[in-house]
Amino acid sequence: AQSVTQLDSHVSVSEGTPVLLRCNYSSSYSPSLFWYVQHPNKGLQLLLKYTSAATLVKGINGFEAEFKKSETSFHLTKPSAHMSDAAEYFCVVMNTGTASKLTFGTGTRLQVTL
Amino acid sequence: DTEVTQTPKHLVMGMTNKKSLKCEQHMGHRAMYWYKQKAKKPPELMFVYSYEKLSINESVPSRFSPECPNSSLLNLHLHALQPEDSALYLCASSLWGLLNEQFFGPGTRLTVL
Repeated sequence: AQSVTQLDSHVSVSEGTPVLLRCNYSSSYSPSLFWYVQHPNKGLQLLLKYTSAATLVKGINGFEAEFKKSETSFHLTKPSAHMSDAAEYFCVVMNTGTASKLTFGTGTRLQVTL
Repeated sequence: DTEVTQTPKHLVMGMTNKKSLKCEQHMGHRAMYWYKQKAKKPPELMFVYSYEKLSINESVPSRFSPECPNSSLLNLHLHALQPEDSALYLCASSLWGLLNEQFFGPGTRLTVL
């Protein structure tokens, strides 16, 4: 079985300050992990993915995430928030076993203020 | 071409109407997916097609009928929907199947009156 927990439903930061969106996962197998972003009334865009290579993953738009097996975490960070980063962020886990499906977290809404 | 397109962007239909949602990709992907997303919730998987064959149906009511006419197209036929079916319907595709990353379309916003 697999599951993912996004610890914050809503995060608010000021423009130019760091962003931290937290994600913990549970997986019976070696997982693949993803972060997707969804802007209002839009589809999901892949920010970055971890698939058992380097534990520090760099994605688009300055985002990165670190896979920490000992903590079962995959937190998303960005050094400096921009107004355009305001969106919903989903942490997603996928087992590498057969017939694996994506399991989505409940999402974190990022608000960026001036 | 590295995108998934969906038409229409918005759809309003009555409970007795028949309508279809369309999804298209030209990335050579052989797996395609339909998801349903309610407001402030994560997407929920509805159907998976792999090599044009239905491989997963997540116990979706029969008023939703998927169709995959070829490897680039995925349709979702709608009939006798209920107001609670109003949602954002997302299409996605991946290279071979569930073990590959999925690319999502912009969605169709469906309202059932």
